[in-house]
Amino acid sequence: DTEVTQTPKHLVMGMTNKKSLKCEQHMGHRAMYWYKQKAKKPPELMFVYSYEKLSINESVPSRFSPECPNSSLLNLHLHALQPEDSALYLCASSQESAATNEKLFFGSGTQLSVL
Amino acid sequence: GENVEQHPSTLSVQEGDSAVIKCTYSDSASNYFPWYKQELGKRPQLIIDIRSNVGEKKDQRIAVTLNKTAKHFSLHITETQPEDSAVYFCAARQRMDSGYSTLTFGKGTMLLVSP
Repeated sequence: DTEVTQTPKHLVMGMTNKKSLKCEQHMGHRAMYWYKQKAKKPPELMFVYSYEKLSINESVPSRFSPECPNSSLLNLHLHALQPEDSALYLCASSQESAATNEKLFFGSGTQLSVL
Repeated sequence: GENVEQHPSTLSVQEGDSAVIKCTYSDSASNYFPWYKQELGKRPQLIIDIRSNVGEKKDQRIAVTLNKTAKHFSLHITETQPEDSAVYFCAARQRMDSGYSTLTFGKGTMLLVSP
């Protein structure tokens, strides 16, 4: 299995809702990432987990809460989002720890719309 | 922090022509430079990468060159095909004081290959 799987593919939520994005990889990768991508823009790093520990938080608002239950799973919990949070949320993994940040494998993303 | 400039923002070529995309970076300590291809509605995919101790790397029709002195690197695609049409992102890796590293992406180049 050489894929990073993300669910759901599409999500529409209101500003008072709580939802979660899920990401799974079975490549034995030790680092997992959350990126946010707006249309026609490059991916922006949000969080990095290395060996299941949060190693990088790029000053992301607390309405986004990451969780890494085990080495294969990564979640992003969403609460009280704003319309400007609408974007494609990409999960990625890499074989080595976050110290290398090399050869990222991206999932297909969750297209999030906040109404 | 690192700053990555990418040019051009759009590039149109005829099938069979070569395409060149250029990036410059600001942090002389950056030591790893990947290129990602993102087709419309799809995930970013790593197509080639280069480390700072190498000047050039080739993989079939794709090559990357790096000039550390000038702090720029370029993607070369020969014999372009319509399926090469996509947005291409360059990136530079910088190591943080914590020992972890992050990627800074360029703004992307939309390549359109016409039959």
